[in-house]
Amino acid sequence: EAQVTQNPRYLITVTGKKLTVTCSQNMNHEYMSWYRQDPGLGLRQIYYSMNVEVTDKGDVPEGYKVSRKEKRNFPLILESPSPNQTSLYFCASKQLIPNYGYTFGSGTRLTVV
Amino acid sequence: DQQVKQNSPSLSVQEGRISILNCDYTNSMFDYFLWYKKYPAEGPTFLISISSIKDKNEDGRFTVFLNKSAKHLSLHIVPSQPGDSAVYFCAALPNRDDKIIFGKGTRLHILP
Repeated sequence: EAQVTQNPRYLITVTGKKLTVTCSQNMNHEYMSWYRQDPGLGLRQIYYSMNVEVTDKGDVPEGYKVSRKEKRNFPLILESPSPNQTSLYFCASKQLIPNYGYTFGSGTRLTVV
Repeated sequence: DQQVKQNSPSLSVQEGRISILNCDYTNSMFDYFLWYKKYPAEGPTFLISISSIKDKNEDGRFTVFLNKSAKHLSLHIVPSQPGDSAVYFCAALPNRDDKIIFGKGTRLHILP
C-alpha cells in the first residue's frame, strides 16, 4: 500500500530534550515536506526537500532541522524543543512531475511541557 | 500575505442538503487546485482537483467549480452525509513551482 509513515503518533516531552520524528514513504517520491497544524493557522510548511541531500526552509523553520540522506526518509529533528512547538505535525510526499499534490502521513501530536 | 483564503472557519449543513465550501486566491499564476479532507487524528487526504484550464470537475457527490476571473473556487457536496463532517483544505499549485499553498481550512459539520 502506498503510504507515508510517521512515528511516533503521540509524544510528550520536556523542554530542551532533543527529539526526532521519523517519516518514511514507499512511493519513490522526490519531494518531501513537513507541516505543522495549529488552530486558526491551518497547515504551515516547516521544511521541504526536493531530493536526496537537498533541503530548504519553509515558512516556519525556526527551531527545526531536517535531513534527507535517503530518498524514502525525511526525519524532523527538534534539537531543543520549546512549548511553542506543541503542535500536530504532518509529513507529506509527492512527485515533482506531474505535480498532483501530496500524500500525507497520519500525523504526530507533540506536546512539549 | 495569504495567497489562498478560506474565509469561513466553520460551516454547518443539514444532512441531505448541499454543502458549499469556498476558497479565494490572489495569484493568477496558480494552475492547479486541490481539495483535501481531514478527519481528527488523521492526515489530510486528497479529495478532488481541478486544472486552471477547466471550470468544473465532478467526482460522485463532489464537484469543484473554478471561476478564474473572480479567482474563486468552490467545493459542492451533494447530498451531504454525516461522514462528510471534517476539515476541508483548499490548496493551490503555482505554475512552474513545486510549492503547494494551503488555505487555513473550513470545518464542516453535517447536522442530523
